[in-house]
Amino acid sequence: DIQMTQSPSSLSASVGDRVTITCRASQRMTNYLNWYQQKPGKAPKLLIYAASNLQSGVPSRFSGSGSGTDFTLTISSLQPEDFAIYYCQQSDSIPSTFGQGTKLEIK
Amino acid sequence: QVQLVQSGPEVKKTWASVKVSCKASGYTFTNYGVSWVRQAPGQGLEWMGWINAYNGHTNYPLKLQGRVTMTADTSTSTAYLELRSLRSDDTAVYYCARDSRSPLAGYFDYWGQGTLVTVTS
Repeated sequence: DIQMTQSPSSLSASVGDRVTITCRASQRMTNYLNWYQQKPGKAPKLLIYAASNLQSGVPSRFSGSGSGTDFTLTISSLQPEDFAIYYCQQSDSIPSTFGQGTKLEIK
Repeated sequence: QVQLVQSGPEVKKTWASVKVSCKASGYTFTNYGVSWVRQAPGQGLEWMGWINAYNGHTNYPLKLQGRVTMTADTSTSTAYLELRSLRSDDTAVYYCARDSRSPLAGYFDYWGQGTLVTVTS
C-alpha cells in the first residue's frame, strides 16, 4: 500500500496568510493525488484533483502542485471559511489511501 | 444537481451486519462508480472499496475482504454497502462518494451526507 504522510499535522495561521500543506507518498506515484477539505460534521469536499486541477466552484486561492512523491496544497490568502481539516488522497494504486489530515486553525 | 442521499443512522450489535444505501440523482448513474469511505470518531478517512455502477465490478482493500460487499441497483440508481461481522472498531460515519468507472485515477467529487453506524456489545 502507498502510505501518505501529511505535514504539518496541525497549523495555526491568520486570515490573509499564505499556507502550504505537504503530502509525501511512501513510493513514487503518478499525479493521481487529490485534496479534500472537511469541516466539522460535514462530508469532505473535493478541492484539487490530479495534483493541480482546481475542482469547479473552488476559489482560485487554492492550488496544488507536485510530482513523484511530494505534493503540496497552497492557500494563497487564508479566508475565515478555510479553517478546516485537509486531507490528501492517492488514487494511483489500490487500495486508495488518505493522509492523516492537517488541521488548520485560527491563530 | 448531483445528489447522493444516504440511509439513516444504525445501531447494531457486535457480530451483526449492516447495510447502508446511497441513492444517486442528477447524473447518469451507470456512467460512474461509487466509492465508500468511513471515518471513525475523531479519526481520519479510510477508503472501503469501489464499485463500477455500470457492470458491478468491485474492488476492496485486503483488510475488509470477506466482510464487505458493495452492490449497485441501476433500476433505482442506488448503491449499497454491506458490512458483516461488525466489531466495535467499525463504529464510524460511512460516506458514499461518486467516483470514476475505473478503480484507479479517480477522485470523489460528490459525497453523501454520511451515515453513522454504531456497534455496541
